[in-house]
Amino acid sequence: GAGVSQTPSNKVTEKGKYVELRCDPISGHTALYWYRQSLGQGPEFLIYFQGTGAADDSGLPNDRFFAVRPEGSVSTLKIQRTERGDSAVYLCASSLMGVEETQYFGPGTRLLVL
Amino acid sequence: TQLLEQSPQFLSIQEGENLTVYCNSSSVFSSLQWYRQEPGEGPVLLVTVVTGGEVKKLKRLTFQFGDARKDSSLHITAAQPGDTGLYLCAGRYNFNKFYFGSGTKLNVKP
Repeated sequence: GAGVSQTPSNKVTEKGKYVELRCDPISGHTALYWYRQSLGQGPEFLIYFQGTGAADDSGLPNDRFFAVRPEGSVSTLKIQRTERGDSAVYLCASSLMGVEETQYFGPGTRLLVL
Repeated sequence: TQLLEQSPQFLSIQEGENLTVYCNSSSVFSSLQWYRQEPGEGPVLLVTVVTGGEVKKLKRLTFQFGDARKDSSLHITAAQPGDTGLYLCAGRYNFNKFYFGSGTKLNVKP
């Protein structure tokens, strides 16, 4: 079956703009994770969804970042008033049930804030 | 603050050589995972270790979890160019979270 897909694959925006990043998890996976990976670093946890609810959003860096998963499938990561420091690869992963299961990662969205 | 320290950061070796990558922390993890990531792609899970002292083998790759569940190592025997990539360890912490190390970039030259 299809893996995790993320759109867009690349996004260039200007400082101060609003962006939305989309994640389509593997069908039937109830758990969904967002990570941010800066150049030369490992992924950094942002938020974990179990179904429609955010089970743990403690990794979101500040209130400019927000994520939703209204129907328990597709998730959108929203960044307001983007800053140059937000430039990174944003990775999404899904797993069948939760943290005990294998996480399958998408290819990421490369965000560049000019 | 980096919860997981990986070493070395970079490793360039010839095909056929053996290598070991280390993942260390002062924190205890309920489980630890190793991933490989190639450019432009997301990480792919190689193995999960759960029990202190556990050793798992995956073909030419051997993974070990420290007795105290604070450290881990990945040993590759007779490395091949196809092993080239970024190797990441990730520790499960506080139930929901996975903390990743900064990775070891491996280049295996033919």
